Amino acid sequence: GAGVSQSPSNKVTEKGKDVELRCDPISGHTALYWYRQSLGQGLEFLIYFQGNSAPDKSGLPSDRFSAERTGGSVSTLTIQRTQQEDSAVYLCASSSTSGGAIDTQYFGPGTRLTVL
Amino acid sequence: AQSVTQLGSHVSVSEGALVLLRCNYSSSVPPYLFWYVQYPNQGLQLLLKYTSAATLVKGINGFEAEFKKSETSFHLTKPSAHMSDAAEYFCAVSKKSSASKIIFGSGTRLSIRP
Repeated sequence: GAGVSQSPSNKVTEKGKDVELRCDPISGHTALYWYRQSLGQGLEFLIYFQGNSAPDKSGLPSDRFSAERTGGSVSTLTIQRTQQEDSAVYLCASSSTSGGAIDTQYFGPGTRLTVL
Repeated sequence: AQSVTQLGSHVSVSEGALVLLRCNYSSSVPPYLFWYVQYPNQGLQLLLKYTSAATLVKGINGFEAEFKKSETSFHLTKPSAHMSDAAEYFCAVSKKSSASKIIFGSGTRLSIRP
């Protein structure tokens, strides 16, 4: 596609429910990132996928959070047993890579998650 | 560990005035530095990035930033503000040796007064 897409754009759920957030990166981009943006906060790194390498999960806040990337393309971020503090905008970004050099990240519009 | 500090969560300037958004970084290794902009109801987009070439980096929409190692700063400037510049601006840092994590600051909301 022309850009990074995310779905749903908004998600309202009840405390304790599981949610799945989807990210479709730009075609051909090997790197995919998930961030969380809470109200009044910066972007908090969650997880990073690069090709077939093991993902960098160092930013996941708890074991309730997990993510996978199927076929090196689409990624799903899953939050189990949601809590109110999980309410935030979840952003996905993708980038190409070139010899380890920093490449521009292209961000999706985000999924706004509200946990009641 | 790397981090960025953005001074001022909200900056307001008059249309036509100088825009100055401050960013200081902390990095144990030579960094890559970025400024991203988030317009209302839109995703983040890259304004400019510093990757150890020229210390004065020019970006889109007339913005530029200067890397000052002695001050560990990467302030964003624009000579003359336009109403369309109203947005949230994020400074970010990454290790030069890795294309993985980019650490973002908490953001500065820029408002433009008519």
